Amino acid sequence: DIQMTQSPSSLSASVGDRVNITCRASQGISNSLAWYQQKPGKVPELLIYAASTLQSGVPSRFSGSGSGTDFTLTISSLQPEDVATYYCQKLNSVPLTFGPGTKVDIK
Amino acid sequence: EVQVVESGGGLVKPGGSLRLSCAASGFTFSSYSMNWVRQAPGKGLEWVSSISDRSEYIYYADSVKGRFTISRDNAKKSLYLQMNSLRAEDTALYYCTRFSDGFDVWGQGAVVTVSS
Repeated sequence: DIQMTQSPSSLSASVGDRVNITCRASQGISNSLAWYQQKPGKVPELLIYAASTLQSGVPSRFSGSGSGTDFTLTISSLQPEDVATYYCQKLNSVPLTFGPGTKVDIK
Repeated sequence: EVQVVESGGGLVKPGGSLRLSCAASGFTFSSYSMNWVRQAPGKGLEWVSSISDRSEYIYYADSVKGRFTISRDNAKKSLYLQMNSLRAEDTALYYCTRFSDGFDVWGQGAVVTVSS
């Protein structure tokens, strides 16, 4: 099975900072990757699908890039409401594995 | 409003069984693949099972294969997860999710606790 890793596992940044989260697949998955945001105590929400397509209603400060094995979620200007854990997920074939998550908070 | 609502969670002893249900509304249920995802306390997300729109394709995570059964009733707009031979490690919040490019609709979850 393809393994998904994320780095860093956690980060602390200031409001307005640019934040990058990396997701890596152990084998190529083309662009079949989604990103989710889970705020503390809340249900996960889809942010990005097909590696770079923003889900409707998601703020434009979120963007995704990458293809193959290496992917990046970028928050261009971190806001207090972005405090959350972010997960990537492969969608090319089963198992539809999630990454271990990256916890983001405000410095 | 597009939504899914889980029910059927609870406390069960190891080796016991439980059936989760998920009621969908606000969208054409029969047109979408559906999934179960779980999250153990303080842990990350784990994909559990998927079923295609007309039930022709069904998949399970290795951790539940042979113990859990996913099914759906399109006439009732409902998704199910029959969980047998439950173990302590199955304790989690179980989410019903819709697949459309990604998992774009999530319920609030049903809590399953496996403990003696």
